[in-house]
Amino acid sequence: AQSVTQLGSHVSVSEGALVLLRCNYSSSVPPYLFWYVQYPNQGLQLLLKYTTGATLVKGINGFEAEFKKSETSFHLTKPSAHMSDAAEYFCAVSENTGNQFYFGTGTSLTVIP
Amino acid sequence: DAGVTQSPTHLIKTRGQQVTLRCSPKSGHDTVSWYQQALGQGPQFIFQYYEEEERQRGNFPDRFSGHQFPNYSSELNVNALLLGDSALYLCASSPTGSFLGEQYFGPGTRLTVT
Repeated sequence: AQSVTQLGSHVSVSEGALVLLRCNYSSSVPPYLFWYVQYPNQGLQLLLKYTTGATLVKGINGFEAEFKKSETSFHLTKPSAHMSDAAEYFCAVSENTGNQFYFGTGTSLTVIP
Repeated sequence: DAGVTQSPTHLIKTRGQQVTLRCSPKSGHDTVSWYQQALGQGPQFIFQYYEEEERQRGNFPDRFSGHQFPNYSSELNVNALLLGDSALYLCASSPTGSFLGEQYFGPGTRLTVT
């Protein structure tokens, strides 16, 4: 069975500060891992994904995430927060067939000016 | 190129009624998945359609059913609505052989059951 745990349902950072959103997963097979962002009243937008290969993945808007198999983690980071980063962020895991995604409960990011 | 579109945007129904939600996938995509996102929660997988057949299903009762048409568009039907069915319903599409597991999401349909 696969599952995702996102530690911290709400995270607040100052503008310009480091953003760190935590994601731990459980998977019985090598996982595909994703981060999605959701702005109010909108659908989900893919930020980045890990499938195979390099464990440090770079995405859009300056975000990146590192797959750490030993820690079963896929934390999302951004060196400098911007006001436009305020949104809900979801981590998701999928088997390599990509047929079904399991999402975490989300982390709401607030950026303080 | 239009992305994934869903209709209607918002819907209000009464308990016991039936509802149909619609989704048009992104151009070139033939696989459609449906998710339910309750307030404050992550999306929960309902089912996936490919070649007009349900390929995989999540842990949802039979009140939830779907259909995929030859043009790859899809419908989600929910019968005997309950208050707990109030949620944002998201449709996601992906191309054949999408072993990279990448899905494109629509903006969703907000269903309110009163």
